[in-house]
Amino acid sequence: DTEVTQTPKHLVMGMTNKKSLKCEQHMGHRAMYWYKQKAKKPPELMFVYSYEKLSINESVPSRFSPECPNSSLLNLHLHALQPEDSALYLCASRTRMNTEAFFGQGTRLTVV
Amino acid sequence: AQTVTQSQPEMSVQEAETVTLSCTYDTSESDYYLFWYKQPPSRQMILVIRQEAYKQQNATENRFSVNFQKAAKSFSLKISDSQLGDAAMYFCAYRGLIQGAQKLVFGQGTRLTINP
Repeated sequence: DTEVTQTPKHLVMGMTNKKSLKCEQHMGHRAMYWYKQKAKKPPELMFVYSYEKLSINESVPSRFSPECPNSSLLNLHLHALQPEDSALYLCASRTRMNTEAFFGQGTRLTVV
Repeated sequence: AQTVTQSQPEMSVQEAETVTLSCTYDTSESDYYLFWYKQPPSRQMILVIRQEAYKQQNATENRFSVNFQKAAKSFSLKISDSQLGDAAMYFCAYRGLIQGAQKLVFGQGTRLTINP
């Protein structure tokens, strides 16, 4: 299994809603990432988890709350988002022995 | 600060021809990794090729090869015998120690069109 699986693929939410994005991998990778990608732009790093501990937070607003409940699962909890938060959210994972990160297909988020 | 620059927002090539995508980067580190990722309309970032900075030999993967010039901080991607399935956004990426942590930083991307 060489996949990073993200659910849902598409999400539309109101500004007062609470929702969660899910990312799962079964490759034994102990580093997991959340990226945000706006249209026609490169991915921007949001969070890094290493061995289930948050190691990097790129000054992301608190309305985004990451969680890593176990070594295979990474969540991104969303609350009180703004329309400008609409974007593609990409999850990635990597093992220390690998040089490259493996990416999921992303969740296309629209905030209305 | 480490930055990655792709100076070609768009490129096009005839099917079966060769195309080269440019990438330059800025770093003061000596140990780092460089990558080319492909992002088709399906949205998934797919690794095309990687290069370890300590290796002088240019990486190759079938029709894809790089020209890595460490002193010039240049990392271009050559696609030979272009195929319709190569059409995508291509991102050059740098992974190394940035502000005390290992991070992956992307260039702005080059959209590649393959003309039949």
